[in-house]
Amino acid sequence: SQQGEEDPQALSIQEGENATMNCSYKTSINNLQWYRQNSGRGLVHLILIRSNEREKHSGRLRVTLDTSKKSSSLLITASRAADTASYFCATDGYSGAGSYQLTFGKGTKLSVIP
Amino acid sequence: DGGITQSPKYLFRKEGQNVTLSCEQNLNHDAMYWYRQDPGQGLRLIYYSQIVNDFQKGDIAEGYSVSREKKESFPLTVTSAQKNPTAFYLCASSTPPGLAKNIQYFGAGTRLSVL
Repeated sequence: SQQGEEDPQALSIQEGENATMNCSYKTSINNLQWYRQNSGRGLVHLILIRSNEREKHSGRLRVTLDTSKKSSSLLITASRAADTASYFCATDGYSGAGSYQLTFGKGTKLSVIP
Repeated sequence: DGGITQSPKYLFRKEGQNVTLSCEQNLNHDAMYWYRQDPGQGLRLIYYSQIVNDFQKGDIAEGYSVSREKKESFPLTVTSAQKNPTAFYLCASSTPPGLAKNIQYFGAGTRLSVL
């Protein structure tokens, strides 16, 4: 079952601008992760934020997590044409029967125009 | 060169035919996963395996089968019972889930089409 829900579904910006994507989820989580997918390729892990963290940085990426609102945001600063891709949030939580799974949202398609 | 290798990159299935997608990893990960991705959609879990000789159904297992005889390999068979198999299939592996960090590493995918 898909728990994460990204917003917006598509985003088009000019090179150099910042891009913000949001993710909402429904149940309690251990951590939340963001992945990137170039067209026709596999996903690549970008950043992980634990449930007891509020903000995390990695290079031009900034992730926030608000567990009270069950939401997260991914900010890409000073975007480049090479950032054009789909971005997915994934929640890591207990899914029953002794199992933990990542549950992916539908993604935000980011287009950065040179 | 460590990672996950999926083959083939493109696969065509005739009606009534079973086809098998290969997934091999040399990351020494215990857990492996198969996902299906339809256009404009997220990933849906087909099957996963947390250890050799054990696997569990995901959200959309009907029409698919898997085996996990070796740690490195987790092949997926799309059977003739899967009536709408056209999709992009992704294999992933991870360290055991539930250990605070469940980061998944993905292959490049197999695009399956029906002839």
